[in-house]
Amino acid sequence: GENVEQHPSTLSVQEGDSAVIKCTYSDSASNYFPWYKQELGKRPQLIIDIRSNVGEKKDQRIAVTLNKTAKHFSLHITETQPEDSAVYFCAASNPNTGFQKLVFGTGTRLLVSP
Amino acid sequence: GAVVSQHPSRVICKSGTSVKIECRSLDFQATTMFWYRQFPKQSLMLMATSNEGSKATYEQGVEKDKFLINHASLTLSTLTVTSAHPEDSSFYICSAGDTSNSPLHFGNGTRLTVT
Repeated sequence: GENVEQHPSTLSVQEGDSAVIKCTYSDSASNYFPWYKQELGKRPQLIIDIRSNVGEKKDQRIAVTLNKTAKHFSLHITETQPEDSAVYFCAASNPNTGFQKLVFGTGTRLLVSP
Repeated sequence: GAVVSQHPSRVICKSGTSVKIECRSLDFQATTMFWYRQFPKQSLMLMATSNEGSKATYEQGVEKDKFLINHASLTLSTLTVTSAHPEDSSFYICSAGDTSNSPLHFGNGTRLTVT
């Protein structure tokens, strides 16, 4: 089955810096890759997603890139703010097991210092 | 947008008792819902796929007789942790999408503590 690895496990940056979180996946049939932000004790919230027919997607300060050949995708956050501090999870799914049947990465704890 | 509501948000129970957690889709119908478990500082692990009107599909290693799932309507799925033990203490989260091809939205989660 699918296996998603995520790095780094923790990331500390200064306010205004950029943050990059990377994930790799094992199943070449996977074609949907969402990113979720989870604050302590709260629900994961979808922040951006990408499907395998595109290589990059951007939404204001957040962008995701996908390299299907290498089977990795990355989350980029620019001009980080303290409120960006949270745990971020990447995930993958493939149509064979179900578009919504997500396999999550291990999470990255992002700390943005003022 | 799609809203998923989960209840209760927090529950404390004694070892050996059963606990029911409800997951509702508030503004859409969900033929499929997903139940996840998250231990502290760990990732979300899929427990089972809840299918409206039929049996749930459990992931490998998840005991179906211990984690009973009922999806009797298009807006409600329930997870019952039977004969709970301290090792069942965890954060349980449900999710659903308003169509089969839409992103998942998560409930608030239920923090279960078994004493």
